[in-house]
Amino acid sequence: EVQLVQSGAEVKKPGESLKISCKGSGYSFTSYWIGWVRQMPGKGLEWMGIIYPGDSDTRYSPSFQGQVTISADKSISTAYLQWSSLKASDTAMYYCARLLHKHIVNSAVDYWGQGTLVTVSS
Amino acid sequence: EIVMTQSPATLSVSPGERATLSCRASQSVSSNLAWYQQKPGQAPRLLIYGASTRATGIPARFSGSGSGTEFTLTISSLQSEDFAVYYCQQYNNWPPTAFGQGTKVEIK
Repeated sequence: EVQLVQSGAEVKKPGESLKISCKGSGYSFTSYWIGWVRQMPGKGLEWMGIIYPGDSDTRYSPSFQGQVTISADKSISTAYLQWSSLKASDTAMYYCARLLHKHIVNSAVDYWGQGTLVTVSS
Repeated sequence: EIVMTQSPATLSVSPGERATLSCRASQSVSSNLAWYQQKPGQAPRLLIYGASTRATGIPARFSGSGSGTEFTLTISSLQSEDFAVYYCQQYNNWPPTAFGQGTKVEIK
């Protein structure tokens, strides 16, 4: 059974750093693109970026380029989303998401993590 | 950047009735279009990909159609568990920044 299990909720202050994780299991972690989707309170879904753990090829959506870092450790089947300096506007639910088709970046999402709620407040 | 526009924003439907949701792309995305369902407090769930292929385990009352720039999700007979927000998403071009803004299907 494919599962994506995300790290727990975080409460941080503006300016702090943060790294959240998403552990994949039940499939070949290195063969599927995995990405991150933001959902701000009461709002829709936004793709942030995506990584191919097999070779660490990473793509970012223009709105998030330079704002976050996406990485993966294939030895432990885990993808990460990282901020170096959080802002209050980063408060949101963050989902990791695996793409449907092996190796292919232009694909729908078939598996989602449970979400990690990040709250940034002074 | 491709913009996805969903209509209507809210759809009020009685249980057992048919619901028709629309999604329009600002430029052609071929058939690289997916539909997702999201219920409060839950992650989204893939319903349709390739514009018309049902994902694993999705009931036959959900169907998708369209290609190019115009797409439709039809729920043939709404069940109580179908009241949710529905998003379309293009994946023809990276970045697939374009999810639509969502259509909320509510009980009439």
